[in-house]
Amino acid sequence: NAGVTQTPKFQVLKTGQSMTLQCAQDMNHEYMSWYRQDPGMGLRLIHYSVGAGITDQGEVPNGYNVSRSTTEDFPLRLLSAAPSQTSVYFCASSSRLATGEQFFGPGTRLTVL
Amino acid sequence: RKEVEQDPGPFNVPEGATVAFNCTYSNSASQSFFWYRQDCRKEPKLLMSVYSSGNEDGRFTAQLNRASQYISLLIRDSKLSDSATYLCVVKTGGFKTIFGAGTRLFVKA
Repeated sequence: NAGVTQTPKFQVLKTGQSMTLQCAQDMNHEYMSWYRQDPGMGLRLIHYSVGAGITDQGEVPNGYNVSRSTTEDFPLRLLSAAPSQTSVYFCASSSRLATGEQFFGPGTRLTVL
Repeated sequence: RKEVEQDPGPFNVPEGATVAFNCTYSNSASQSFFWYRQDCRKEPKLLMSVYSSGNEDGRFTAQLNRASQYISLLIRDSKLSDSATYLCVVKTGGFKTIFGAGTRLFVKA
């Protein structure tokens, strides 16, 4: 039981490049989310999904896209990377019966030059 | 004003000390409350939920004061392994979950 996995662990991009951050969970959780964490700020919700085929925007969705074709996977796409997107990205999942307990992946440290 | 505010610290305490963190939230309609723990360069992990009647888990005690809109976490008999950042988390209706920026704790021998 791997829990929530994320790839890659580290990534450096140039401004304007695009990429996809991968997230997968093996707990059969309905809910999945993407957060970014910046120094001095709490985790901020980017996008979330309450089930396969259903996604919605969080607090800071601009510049990011998501899709949820399966229960297990929830990739985050950066369309055209900007230095302001330099951050640590965490994917999380939770059961619909206990949405307060979120299980986080190990994070992706992204630097945009 | 931030929706969830925490004293960033750091709190530097000796082993065996008792330390308390407070967190205030602005949305009176908030429904659920939690403390998460985050070790340096690691992912957050749920420490405990916070109930209106207060709850305890070993050396950790969490309290909720809805009238004043604050949550507290008390750690007794601090251990070196308690050194971490403690995140206050507030959930309103639906899926909206707000994380505080965290309070850093250093426990020294």
